[in-house]
Amino acid sequence: ETGVTQTPRHLVMGMTNKKSLKCEQHLGHNAMYWYKQSAKKPLELMFVYNFKEQTENNSVPSRFSPECPNSSHLFLHLHTLQPEDSALYLCASSLSELAGYNEQFFGPGTRLTVL
Amino acid sequence: GDSVTQMEGPVTLSEEAFLTINCTYTATGYPSLFWYVQYPGEGLQLLLKATKADDKGSNKGFEATYRKETTSFHLEKGSVQVSDSAVYFCALSASWGKLQFGAGTQVVVTP
Repeated sequence: ETGVTQTPRHLVMGMTNKKSLKCEQHLGHNAMYWYKQSAKKPLELMFVYNFKEQTENNSVPSRFSPECPNSSHLFLHLHTLQPEDSALYLCASSLSELAGYNEQFFGPGTRLTVL
Repeated sequence: GDSVTQMEGPVTLSEEAFLTINCTYTATGYPSLFWYVQYPGEGLQLLLKATKADDKGSNKGFEATYRKETTSFHLEKGSVQVSDSAVYFCALSASWGKLQFGAGTQVVVTP
């Protein structure tokens, strides 16, 4: 039990669909992260929010749109995705983004398949 | 920039064998070092960490020592079990905050 939950765990969508991934943390943390994990590729940091403010957008295409309404919830809105966007999307949280406080706790991930 | 290099997998071992996964890093300042583990179908879990030179992190029979002189943080376990089959990620947290992960090493333990 990591204290970070993600829903749904599995998602299949067509390229014209719009869907959202949800992440919730119950750890009292202030920083939240989205990562993409593709087969045979290193973990890719996508977005970082620190105290609800976006502090990192790692050149992510605009078809991925994050939202952080409060420090406990993080969403990733998806629209007009491509098959190469199929991957495991991981959410993580940490006490803060600052060094010394950024030990990250991960959710189980959402396995996304784009047809 | 900061980076982490770890040995490529898969590493295949028999049960009760000794496991070593090499990890070296490049960083300015004095980073904290971590090992994360990802079991099949799950997210990453923190396995152990070390925040300064010569610190030894340990958990579940795994150990790693922060070696500043060799910029290394090798993961070791004396006797692996089938349940240790997973992907292991070395990571560092530099002084300016970002957590940098290595590419991951898959470990397969056979009965």
